[in-house]
Amino acid sequence: DAKTTQPNSMESNEEEPVHLPCNHSTISGTDYIHWYRQLPSQGPEYVIHGLTSNVNNRMASLAIAEDRKSSTLILHRATLRDAAVYYCILQGAQKLVFGQGTRLTINP
Amino acid sequence: GAVVSQHPSRVICKSGTSVKIECRSLDFQATTMFWYRQFPKQSLMLMATSNEGSKATYEQGVEKDKFLINHASLTLSTLTVTSAHPEDSSFYICSARDLGGYTEAFFGQGTRLTVV
Repeated sequence: DAKTTQPNSMESNEEEPVHLPCNHSTISGTDYIHWYRQLPSQGPEYVIHGLTSNVNNRMASLAIAEDRKSSTLILHRATLRDAAVYYCILQGAQKLVFGQGTRLTINP
Repeated sequence: GAVVSQHPSRVICKSGTSVKIECRSLDFQATTMFWYRQFPKQSLMLMATSNEGSKATYEQGVEKDKFLINHASLTLSTLTVTSAHPEDSSFYICSARDLGGYTEAFFGQGTRLTVV
């Protein structure tokens, strides 16, 4: 399974944008880039996914590098409810294998 | 998004007994379901992949006789922890994929198992 690398933790302030990076230098041409987040004591929640082009939805934006070896999840205005562990996952085959993720702390 | 319901959310059982956890996709058909376990402060570890009507595929190091997985229908998969021991205490999470396979996965709310 292709591997992703994320910072262990990040901190931001409420109502400010947050950029969460992910490196995936061994990505293959058919791998989708998925982002999930997990709040304490809950199952993960889907955030966004993309293949080559940048993507936007109501939760976030996903910026994918031209060579696809890295991507950035963008939360445009962080709220306290965005505090979670964010996982960047490459999905080629059926299964999703989670890395360590980035623990995002939001300061009021 | 689609809903995956996992039951129970919390269970305490005695050492040596078996516990069954159910995972249901409520508004879509899931040909494939995944079972994960998660220890405190750690990431999710994939235990097995189950496809409807066939045997589950277990990840390396996961005992298939201890963690019995049944995926009898397109909306229900079960995980039975047999002869549970305190070291099996963990947070178990199921995930389901819609037909077609390359869409996002939906997760249950998790089951906190405590073996005493």
